[in-house]
Amino acid sequence: EDKVVQSPLSLVVHEGDTVTLNCSYEVTNFRSLLWYKQEKKAPTFLFMLTSSGIEKKSGRLSSILDKKELFSILNITATQTGDSAIYLCAVEGRDFNKFYFGSGTKLNVKP
Amino acid sequence: DVKVTQSSRYLVKRTGEKVFLECVQDMDHENMFWYRQDPGLGLRLIYFSYDVKMKEKGDIPEGYSVSREKKERFSLILESASTNQTSMYLCASRVQGYEQYFGPGTRLTVT
Repeated sequence: EDKVVQSPLSLVVHEGDTVTLNCSYEVTNFRSLLWYKQEKKAPTFLFMLTSSGIEKKSGRLSSILDKKELFSILNITATQTGDSAIYLCAVEGRDFNKFYFGSGTKLNVKP
Repeated sequence: DVKVTQSSRYLVKRTGEKVFLECVQDMDHENMFWYRQDPGLGLRLIYFSYDVKMKEKGDIPEGYSVSREKKERFSLILESASTNQTSMYLCASRVQGYEQYFGPGTRLTVT
């Protein structure tokens, strides 16, 4: 059965800390892995990863994929209170448009 | 800017009622999706559509149906609402091979 597992489930840090969020997957015929940030409403897109070892970066956020070990990490450096959110990982596999989502990591950044 | 809108942010219905959730996107995306989001379970795919009048079941289609008569509009129908359908419902759209854009969600309570 295809599945995506995120860890940790929740995390509390202080402003300025660096955090690493994990996403492991078992999905047949991997196509892509996506990261989203969800505050109180719609998830917003962060990164799409399709190739191993190529880091994607946007400001203080970065992400990388390891297709051999079947996982991805999302790093956030110098965290701010505005980074508080649920971070979702999703994987598209064999069937187009069928995304498998992890249960999310809830990040709380304290001032 | 891609915009996905949903007809209601909050909805309260009684058991046995027929419920319509509407979703509209303004970017001519061919693919549209309905998910439900429950704590600890992440997003689960109910149905998706890859073209007008075309639909595919997701992982949890039981108790739901969908309609796509126009490209920009995708409706989710609960034929006879039950309390276990109380949830957050998220609509999304995408171009094949790219990220999904999500609507703000409809929080449905069935009493």
